Amino acid sequence: KNEVEQSPQNLTAQEGEFITINCSYSVGISALHWLQQHPGGGIVSLFMLSSGKKKHGRLIATINIQEKHSSLHITASHPRDSAVYICAVRDTGNQFYFGTGTSLTVIP
Amino acid sequence: NAGVTQTPKFRILKIGQSMTLQCAQDMNHNYMYWYRQDPGMGLKLIYYSVGAGITDKGEVPNGYNVSRSTTEYFPLRLELAAPSQTSVYFCASRGQSGGNTIYFGEGSWLTVV
Repeated sequence: KNEVEQSPQNLTAQEGEFITINCSYSVGISALHWLQQHPGGGIVSLFMLSSGKKKHGRLIATINIQEKHSSLHITASHPRDSAVYICAVRDTGNQFYFGTGTSLTVIP
Repeated sequence: NAGVTQTPKFRILKIGQSMTLQCAQDMNHNYMYWYRQDPGMGLKLIYYSVGAGITDKGEVPNGYNVSRSTTEYFPLRLELAAPSQTSVYFCASRGQSGGNTIYFGEGSWLTVV
């Protein structure tokens, strides 16, 4: 069983649609990260959060510590948002656990 | 700051060869990590370091070695390469504070034939 589960695995959306990616985890955490990976490219951190909600441009990340669940929302999606989105949690021992990623394709 | 710099970007090895993946960070981060990413799988931790002179095994350390003689550098050594080591490798670093985010290198695509 993976410590971090993401859904959906694959997602195709029309440009302009509102997108939600979900992440559930089973370990006690110090922080949760949402990462973005473009094809053939590196990995960048979008958000790090340990409670509540954060917003950056069209991206919103929320976390519910009690339910061990986080969501990443993309408003007014655009083809340049096409990427793999990875949920990662850092446990209290400073180890990271990664989900397998959600592959998002936004069609013009 | 250059962030986390990994080299090489691409490499093809023959079975039994050895090589070193280089990783450097210029952010004075204490924590450094090596991960491998296989298709359809999450990132798996190979080795990590919490500071210069300190390294520890992760989830999949077999076939690899690391060293951390300075804060900046964290090379990953592959001894006697095997096809199972064909993967994408990522180096990452993070600062000491719990509020610090994690930074990744661009990745190294390694094929063992």
